[in-house]
Amino acid sequence: NAGVMQNPRHLVRRRGQEARLRCSPMKGHSHVYWYRQLPEEGLKFMVYLQKENIIDESGMPKERFSAEFPKEGPSILRIQQVVRGDSAAYFCASSPTYHPDTEAFFGQGTRLTVV
Amino acid sequence: QKEVEQDPGPLSVPEGAIVSLNCTYSNSAFQYFMWYRQYSRKGPELLMYTYSSGNKEDGRFTAQVDKSSKYISLFIRDSQPSDSATYLCAMSAGNQFYFGTGTSLTVIP
Repeated sequence: NAGVMQNPRHLVRRRGQEARLRCSPMKGHSHVYWYRQLPEEGLKFMVYLQKENIIDESGMPKERFSAEFPKEGPSILRIQQVVRGDSAAYFCASSPTYHPDTEAFFGQGTRLTVV
Repeated sequence: QKEVEQDPGPLSVPEGAIVSLNCTYSNSAFQYFMWYRQYSRKGPELLMYTYSSGNKEDGRFTAQVDKSSKYISLFIRDSQPSDSATYLCAMSAGNQFYFGTGTSLTVIP
């Protein structure tokens, strides 16, 4: 059973471009969470999704950021018009049912660098 | 005040030592407590997952939760060089986790 798969592992974008980060949850997991890790800071919650639904997006910046988890395919975190401050490691986690009733497992992350 | 406070270290111990890692928190609603290990440039790996107060042991790892003091600990017995990593505490009351900033641990052979 493969773990949570994130791609790309590294992404470089120029200011103003769009960044698309993909997350394929573990097999049988229908709940996905996105977190952002800035240097010297802990992971910060961004958004929680189930298939085709956004459950909690209270940690998402109001502008430029969006997330989806379609019926088929991976979850996508999309950042439009990236700025230098978006440079960070973005991690997704998945769980089979609602967390915290079950454990959540993290992927290896996508490291976004905005130049 | 941060939701979760964790001493960033760095912490350096000789091989075979007992390591104690700690976090404090302010939100009394937290019910679920986790410890993750993160190697450099990797994703967090779940080590321990506990609900409410008490102790939980798994091999060389013991997690303790004291909700009355809002304090959690992770003990590592017989530490190994392969334990060298950053240890993150996390806790939740709902679907969001709140993470500490992590403690960097180095176990010296």
